[in-house]
Amino acid sequence: NAGVTQTPKFQVLKTGQSMTLQCAQDMNHEYMSWYRQDPGMGLRLIHYSVGAGITDQGEVPNGYNVSRSTTEDFPLRLLSAAPSQTSVYFCASRPRQGGLGNQPQHFGDGTRLSIL
Amino acid sequence: QKEVEQDPGPLSVPEGAIVSLNCTYSNSAFQYFMWYRQYSRKGPELLMYTYSSGNKEDGRFTAQVDKSSKYISLFIRDSQPSDSATYLCAMSEYSGGGADGLTFGKGTHLIIQP
Repeated sequence: NAGVTQTPKFQVLKTGQSMTLQCAQDMNHEYMSWYRQDPGMGLRLIHYSVGAGITDQGEVPNGYNVSRSTTEDFPLRLLSAAPSQTSVYFCASRPRQGGLGNQPQHFGDGTRLSIL
Repeated sequence: QKEVEQDPGPLSVPEGAIVSLNCTYSNSAFQYFMWYRQYSRKGPELLMYTYSSGNKEDGRFTAQVDKSSKYISLFIRDSQPSDSATYLCAMSEYSGGGADGLTFGKGTHLIIQP
């Protein structure tokens, strides 16, 4: 089982560049989320989606866009990269049915992004 | 205000010791409490889940919630080198739905010395 697949695993960008972080899941999960993990800050929610065509903002959405055209894919776009966006980005998914205990979030292995 | 406090460590203990990991929180609306384990360069994986106050045991792991003190703990018995990882506490007001409203602690880096 592939689970949640994130690409690329590593990326270095220059300030002002744009890029898309890819996330795909093969479990037919309705819910998908993007988090960033920074030293001393823990995991913070950027954007999330409860199904194809539906997205919403999390705690730290500024500078990021998302779309959900299919159940499987949930890309995260950096419009104009800034050094403050240097972080490790995690995508997660879980099915709609069931509570957190019965249906925990499945995380990908992350994309490590450096903005110079 | 959502705030979860967790000592980042590192916490280093000898193999076989009992490990105690803790988080405190300020939002009394939190009802669902989780512990995630994160190995280096990997995503978090759910280890334990509890609802409201009380204890839950799973093998060598015990999760404890004291809502009156706004304090949660994870105990690891007979610790093994393979338990070396970062442990994240997380909590939510909701059982599920939408973004799940998870608020994470910063994580404690645990090292089990062989």
